[in-house]
Amino acid sequence: AQKVTQAQTEISVVEKEDVTLDCVYETRDTTYYLFWYKQPPSGELVFLIRRNSFDEQNEISGRYSWNFQKSTSSFNFTITASQVVDSAVYFCALSEGDYGGSQGNLIFGKGTKLSVKP
Amino acid sequence: DAEITQSPRHKITETGRQVTLACHQTWNHNNMFWYRQDLGHGLRLIHYSYGVQDTNKGEVSDGYSVSRSNTEDLPLTLESAASSQTSVYFCASSESGALETQYFGPGTRLLVL
Repeated sequence: AQKVTQAQTEISVVEKEDVTLDCVYETRDTTYYLFWYKQPPSGELVFLIRRNSFDEQNEISGRYSWNFQKSTSSFNFTITASQVVDSAVYFCALSEGDYGGSQGNLIFGKGTKLSVKP
Repeated sequence: DAEITQSPRHKITETGRQVTLACHQTWNHNNMFWYRQDLGHGLRLIHYSYGVQDTNKGEVSDGYSVSRSNTEDLPLTLESAASSQTSVYFCASSESGALETQYFGPGTRLLVL
């Protein structure tokens, strides 16, 4: 069965530290997508990135970077020089392909709460 | 700008009452989804729809129903509200096809007393 594990329930760092949020997934599909969403204290869910199973290139967007490794079934998220505004709950999610007919349904990890202190 | 909205944003109801949560999107997306978010469980899929007249059960569908009469709306109905259904409910939509990005509404906080 498809599954997403975010082993870190809570992380606390001091501003300007780098922090990595771990995500490990399980799937039988050969075609799938991985996502990261941010949920700030205000409660909305903000899409950050989508990565398909055939593209293992790392991605960098400003202070955010993502490391996708199929060999270890991991899709880790690093924030460089963290800021207080990065404080949020971050969710990793897996989207199934056509297996089982549930196309595009997201399976979420339980989230990692990041607190960045000044 | 295209968007996805949910109403009400906050709702208090009593056990046994029927409650309907609205979700409306203006992106013309065929796919729509309802999730609930609870501490310790992350987000779990309740129901989803791939188009008008199409509805499907998700992981935690018991006690909930949806109907899709047009592209823009997917209302979620709690037939007889229970305290276990106290949660934050999120609606999402995406373009047709598998693996498309889902965009979420702002959420509805529901308290069942």
